[in-house]
Amino acid sequence: DGGITQSPKYLFRKEGQNVTLSCEQNLNHDAMYWYRQDPGQGLRLIYYSQIVNDFQKGDIAEGYSVSREKKESFPLTVTSAQKNPTAFYLCASSMVTHSNQPQHFGDGTRLSIL
Amino acid sequence: EDKVVQSPLSLVVHEGDTVTLNCSYEVTNFRSLLWYKQEKKAPTFLFMLTSSGIEKKSGRLSSILDKKELFSILNITATQTGDSAVYLCAVDAGGTSYGKLTFGQGTILTVHP
Repeated sequence: DGGITQSPKYLFRKEGQNVTLSCEQNLNHDAMYWYRQDPGQGLRLIYYSQIVNDFQKGDIAEGYSVSREKKESFPLTVTSAQKNPTAFYLCASSMVTHSNQPQHFGDGTRLSIL
Repeated sequence: EDKVVQSPLSLVVHEGDTVTLNCSYEVTNFRSLLWYKQEKKAPTFLFMLTSSGIEKKSGRLSSILDKKELFSILNITATQTGDSAVYLCAVDAGGTSYGKLTFGQGTILTVHP
């Protein structure tokens, strides 16, 4: 089945530790996105990538890093510089065309601090 | 700064009721407005609206956009318990950043039997 796979579903981070969240898609989408969801705040964009080997900061990029070495994969690293990482992280992807295309989402990773 | 505001933030109704969810926006370069439904995990796509006054329908759900007044509504008729979810509104503010969405806070809808 085509879709977006995020792993792990749950992740715990110790103080001072970097953790990496995986996002893989087999939809042949060009663009991929990472969002953070906190209660009462909707989704906020962390990073996005419209093409392999290129990515841009979103609205809340501080304390996060990404890479886009393959079209199918867009991993997100939550670094120790992110002081409040507890949240629900959602990955999305979409086609990049001149007509509007909706984003499709994975099932998310819930990150907590130990 | 682009801004999307949804109201109400939460709503409790009984099965069979009709509900209207609101989404207003202030963005610099509007391309489209999208509605998503989020139950437990992944938001699922409902509608994309680009033109004013054209209603989009899918079963009991419908949505319309007013680009002059900068808002959209999502209507759900004859609600069912399966409609209980968070409904998210997002705006694609366009420019060279295709698909860069700004989301509202979401409306939590609870439908009691």
